[in-house]
Amino acid sequence: EVHFLESGGTLAQPGGSLRLSCTASGFTLSSNGMSWVRQAPGKGLELVSNSVSSGGTYHADSVKGRFTISRDNSKNTLYLQMNSLRVEDTAVYYCTGHGSSSQWGQGTLVTVSS
Amino acid sequence: QAVVTQEPSLTVSPGGTVTLTCGSSTGAVTSGHYPYWIQQKPGQAPRTLIYDTNNKHSWTPARFSGSLLGGKAALTLSGAQPEDEAEYYCLLSYDPARLFGGGTKVTVL
Repeated sequence: EVHFLESGGTLAQPGGSLRLSCTASGFTLSSNGMSWVRQAPGKGLELVSNSVSSGGTYHADSVKGRFTISRDNSKNTLYLQMNSLRVEDTAVYYCTGHGSSSQWGQGTLVTVSS
Repeated sequence: QAVVTQEPSLTVSPGGTVTLTCGSSTGAVTSGHYPYWIQQKPGQAPRTLIYDTNNKHSWTPARFSGSLLGGKAALTLSGAQPEDEAEYYCLLSYDPARLFGGGTKVTVL
């Protein structure tokens, strides 16, 4: 059974950095596409970043140049490096797989505030 | 950038049928957009019901089905149950980007 567990969310200051992790179990990260999705309080879902198995990545315009998605296949873990954080980055961040592996984790809360 | 459109809200009677749609500002939605349908209940994480137009997960109730209908992706709920009251999001692929619709709030009443 596939499970994703996000971690790393916390309170951060504007301009600060955080690294989120998504550890997969029952699932081979190297063979699958993965995404980070966020949900600001009371708002809808927003795709933040994609990583496909071939190595290609995509970042939404709202985070381009500030966030970087990466993966460590040996640790079966997906990462989201978040730099130059803004108040509007405050959200619950979820990782999810693609296709038949499109389960969701429980999310990790990132709060950006001074 | 494309915009993905959904009905803001729909109401269905218990045991009734409702169809949610998902459109794209770039034109007709096709299987090449790999449409997903994602359910989210208050206070819970999202869960994917349908992926790649019409594929179900093991946890997807049989009363949910996905299709392409009139140039849009569609999610049909046949025999609505009270526990189906939730927000439903569609997700379309615009390789390499992926975009969510704004969500449809379904009320079972």
